[in-house]
Amino acid sequence: SQTIHQWPATLVQPVGSPLSLECTVEGTSNPNLYWYRQAAGRGLQLLFYSVGIGQISSEVPQNLSASRPQDRQFILSSKKLLLSDSGFYLCAWSPDRAGNTEAFFGQGTRLTVV
Amino acid sequence: GQQVMQIPQYQHVQEGEDFTTYCNSSTTLSNIQWYKQRPGGHPVFLIQLVKSGEVKKQKRLTFQFGEAKKNSSLHITATQTTDVGTYFCAILSGGSYIPTFGRGTSLIVHP
Repeated sequence: SQTIHQWPATLVQPVGSPLSLECTVEGTSNPNLYWYRQAAGRGLQLLFYSVGIGQISSEVPQNLSASRPQDRQFILSSKKLLLSDSGFYLCAWSPDRAGNTEAFFGQGTRLTVV
Repeated sequence: GQQVMQIPQYQHVQEGEDFTTYCNSSTTLSNIQWYKQRPGGHPVFLIQLVKSGEVKKQKRLTFQFGEAKKNSSLHITATQTTDVGTYFCAILSGGSYIPTFGRGTSLIVHP
């Protein structure tokens, strides 16, 4: 069966520090991968998505970047965190085929920038 | 890209009362999905609707897709405290089937 791992679960980082959040998927190949951010009490904002290795699309201009060095690995990074980067970051994957595009989410990382 | 509006943002109910959340789009949708996020948790897929006028049920939950495929609703009958959470609708946009989420409706059930 497929599983998605996301870590760490919580993170407190000072302003100006770098960030690296990692997400891996097991039990499937060539998944679509997504990074979402959820501010407190808000909806899910799509940050990045990827349909294959090295293929990254950004949905909003921001202080963040994403990479997909391997088929089932998706990394969210920042060189210098801002206070506004605080939030709940969720990695998700969906099958790369039409008709069955349910998204499966990781447990999320709660990031607090201080 | 396509967007979907979800209302209400919050809903307080007494345990046993019914609850409904609505999603509306200005454009015709190919399909719509519903997710539930428990407090402190991650979104979990509930159901996908594809056909015009489709109605699906999961125990006390009833999901509807409008005839024009521009709106959808989730109705919970006789809410329980276990129904607490945020309910999101999501539409798939772009050739890569990217889920775009509504802002969600947070359901608070008072015992």
